Amino acid sequence: ETAVFQTPNYHVTQVGNEVSFNCKQTLGHDTMYWYKQDSKKLLKIMFSYNNKQLIVNETVPRRFSPQSSDKAHLNLRIKSVEPEDSAVYLCASSPGQRGTGQLYFGEGSKLTVL
Amino acid sequence: GDSVTQTEGLVTLTEGLPVMLNCTYQTAYSTFLFWYVQHLNEAPKLLLKSSTDNKRTEHQGFHATLHKSSSSFHLQKSSAQLSDSALYYCALNGNEKITFGAGTKLTIKP
Repeated sequence: ETAVFQTPNYHVTQVGNEVSFNCKQTLGHDTMYWYKQDSKKLLKIMFSYNNKQLIVNETVPRRFSPQSSDKAHLNLRIKSVEPEDSAVYLCASSPGQRGTGQLYFGEGSKLTVL
Repeated sequence: GDSVTQTEGLVTLTEGLPVMLNCTYQTAYSTFLFWYVQHLNEAPKLLLKSSTDNKRTEHQGFHATLHKSSSSFHLQKSSAQLSDSALYYCALNGNEKITFGAGTKLTIKP
């Protein structure tokens, strides 16, 4: 049963455009994450938030910016997309603080940059 | 920093044969180890987790034992099924985040 909801599931856009992905979890978890899954299926953490506070901010380009309005929502904005941004962006939540709990993933948002 | 190594990128087996997927890790923290499974066009889901040294953990026919002395958490199953075909990730939680290995694509043939 899905409890981490992502929109949109697919998005095709041109280089230089802005795109936003939304994520909501109904599990009551304190921690949320964005992971990037590239074409080789490598899963890399981008950001994590605990109760609206940024905890992890990996080395990602400045055009990526997360936003959290409350602990159930975590959005991701990409200001000016590049071809290498084509990937699946996976939102996840965790019952533990600071990475101690298992991850519950959403279905993913697949971005294609032309 | 933390790292997880999965030595096999692709594993192809015939149905009924045993499965073993390797996972070793490096971390400076006391940690949980996880196995996640991702079927085609689905989200990754937790398969197993453990933090207890030398204790076997089992779920859905799969098992793994955390060995801290060798920093290993290999995934095993006695008899592969067609439905086991998927991408398997080993992961650990370290300092404030969960780090994934590169994944092993398991394909089971009839």
